[in-house]
Amino acid sequence: AQTVTQSQPEMSVQEAETVTLSCTYDTSESDYYLFWYKQPPSRQMILVIRQEAYKQQNATENRFSVNFQKAAKSFSLKISDSQLGDAAMYFCAYRSAGRYIFGTGTRLKVLA
Amino acid sequence: NAGVTQTPKFRILKIGQSMTLQCTQDMNHNYMYWYRQDPGMGLKLIYYSVGAGITDKGEVPNGYNVSRSTTEDFPLRLELAAPSQTSVYFCASSYSWGGDIQYFGAGTRLSVL
Repeated sequence: AQTVTQSQPEMSVQEAETVTLSCTYDTSESDYYLFWYKQPPSRQMILVIRQEAYKQQNATENRFSVNFQKAAKSFSLKISDSQLGDAAMYFCAYRSAGRYIFGTGTRLKVLA
Repeated sequence: NAGVTQTPKFRILKIGQSMTLQCTQDMNHNYMYWYRQDPGMGLKLIYYSVGAGITDKGEVPNGYNVSRSTTEDFPLRLELAAPSQTSVYFCASSYSWGGDIQYFGAGTRLSVL
């Protein structure tokens, strides 16, 4: 069975600094997708970034980028120039055959 | 754009009561999902649907039922509510089966006392 592990329950970053959130997963499949979702206090889940497993190039969305290491089954999220609005729970998710598996989340605090 | 709409936002149930959580999407998505999120945990899939008339179990289906009579609506039914069903419930939809993103509703916070 697929699993997703986020080993950092909580992280802190100074405003304008860079932070990296870790995620590892386990699967025997070769075709899958990986996602990072943000959940602010409003509870609404918002997609941050997506990576197709067949693509070697790391996905980037403005200040957000990933380090996708397929062989190591690692999918970390880097947030550059952190802003106060980045404070939220961040969930790593694996998707294959239409079904999502979510990690337990990392709470990111941004310090002014 | 409404997206995915869930009602109610909050609900308190007594043990043994039943209720239906409503979910509607206006994006013409074929795929819809119900998740629960327990405190400090990620989301766990309860049920999902790949189209009107077709539903299937996820990781934690016990104590719940779903139906999908239209593309837009995917209600989740709780029968004989138990304290273990206290959670936040999220409905989501996506266009396809593959790598499409899921669009989430704002969630329903349910307490069973």
